[in-house]
Amino acid sequence: QQPVQSPQAVILREGEDAVINCSSSKALYSVHWYRQKHGEAPVFLMILLKGGEQKGHEKISASFNEKKQQSSLYLTASQLSYSGTYFCGTESVNGGGSNYKLTFGKGTLLTVNP
Amino acid sequence: DGGITQSPKYLFRKEGQNVTLSCEQNLNHDAMYWYRQDPGQGLRLIYYSQIVNDFQKGDIAEGYSVSREKKESFPLTVTSAQKNPTAFYLCASGQTPARNQPQHFGDGTRLSIL
Repeated sequence: QQPVQSPQAVILREGEDAVINCSSSKALYSVHWYRQKHGEAPVFLMILLKGGEQKGHEKISASFNEKKQQSSLYLTASQLSYSGTYFCGTESVNGGGSNYKLTFGKGTLLTVNP
Repeated sequence: DGGITQSPKYLFRKEGQNVTLSCEQNLNHDAMYWYRQDPGQGLRLIYYSQIVNDFQKGDIAEGYSVSREKKESFPLTVTSAQKNPTAFYLCASGQTPARNQPQHFGDGTRLSIL
């Protein structure tokens, strides 16, 4: 079952902040975040491994609440280059172990305007 | 430079025809993955392989087949049993375990029906 991302789409002006959420119905080992520009390959942003741990990438950071099986991606002072579709991919606990695969959400389309 | 190469970039399939999409990586990654991307659906896993001569079905394997005879190569065959093959297909690779290793994506193959 795919994780649920919200919102589906968001429009920002350059310099504004945004939060993208990813929620799973399963217990998780990890959450991965990727960004894809139209017609291109997804590009890796970061991995979250521990509950509550935040990882950063320039002005993009993320958190992972292991108990709630949720992750949030924070984009601060957005730039035009942040435009694209953001996907979370979750690695879930399966029968006590992992099957080492990611299940991706449907994506959040972020548009940053001048 | 290391990376993932998918070919062809565009492919057209006739009714009742099998077609094979190529995916080669020189990153020395153990795991390789095939995803299908449809508008608004995110990335859905077709097949994945963690080691040579072994692979597992993903969430939408029906109508597809794969082989993993070499570490570097993971071709995907779209068979005539796949009635709706029009989509963007992405190949990815990564080290295992998936939880702390990013996936690297190729540039994709866009498949259409003639």
